[in-house]
Amino acid sequence: EVQLVESGGGLVQPGGSLRLSCEASGFTFSTYWMHWVRQAPGKGLVWVSRVNSDGRRTTYADSVKGRFTISRDNAKNTLYLQMNSLRAEDAAVYYCAKDPDYNGFSFMDVWGKGTTVTVSS
Amino acid sequence: DIQMTQSPSSLSASVGDRVTITCRAGQSIRNYLNWYQQKPGKAPKLLIYAASSLQSGVPSRISGSGSGTDFALTISSLQPEDTATYFCQQSYSTPYTFGRGTKLEIK
Repeated sequence: EVQLVESGGGLVQPGGSLRLSCEASGFTFSTYWMHWVRQAPGKGLVWVSRVNSDGRRTTYADSVKGRFTISRDNAKNTLYLQMNSLRAEDAAVYYCAKDPDYNGFSFMDVWGKGTTVTVSS
Repeated sequence: DIQMTQSPSSLSASVGDRVTITCRAGQSIRNYLNWYQQKPGKAPKLLIYAASSLQSGVPSRISGSGSGTDFALTISSLQPEDTATYFCQQSYSTPYTFGRGTKLEIK
């Protein structure tokens, strides 16, 4: 079964740091692009970042650029999101998602259940 | 950034009705448009990619159409399990952007 399981969320003070993890199983992780998408309580979906299959190419939303770092360990089938200088507006459920990049089309065909980040003093 | 405008923001319809949700992009995105369904407390689920390609396992009563700036998601015969919020998303260029969502309820 193709599965993504996020972990690492929790309560952090403004200015603090967290590292989210997303463990993949059931597919050849090392061949797929991966994304992080977040959703604040009662709000819509916001794309955060993506990384290519070998981890060398990364892209970020302007709102997190310079504060968040996406990375992956293909030997461990795990995607990461290092989040520094956290702000109240970063509070959200964070989802990782798999991207098959099919025929040049990017879309998110498998999603994890999400991990919740709360930023509060 | 490419703005995605969805309408309506909410919709109530009866079982068996034909329902259409529209999504307009702020510039041409060719057919780089995806649709997702999200039920309360759950992760989004891919329905349609590349504007009109049905994801495996998604019922054939769901379809997508459009290109350029105007797109639509149609449910040909609404079923109770279709109660959810639907989001469009462009993948033409980063930052990828989503519409604000359409909440679909059954009357």
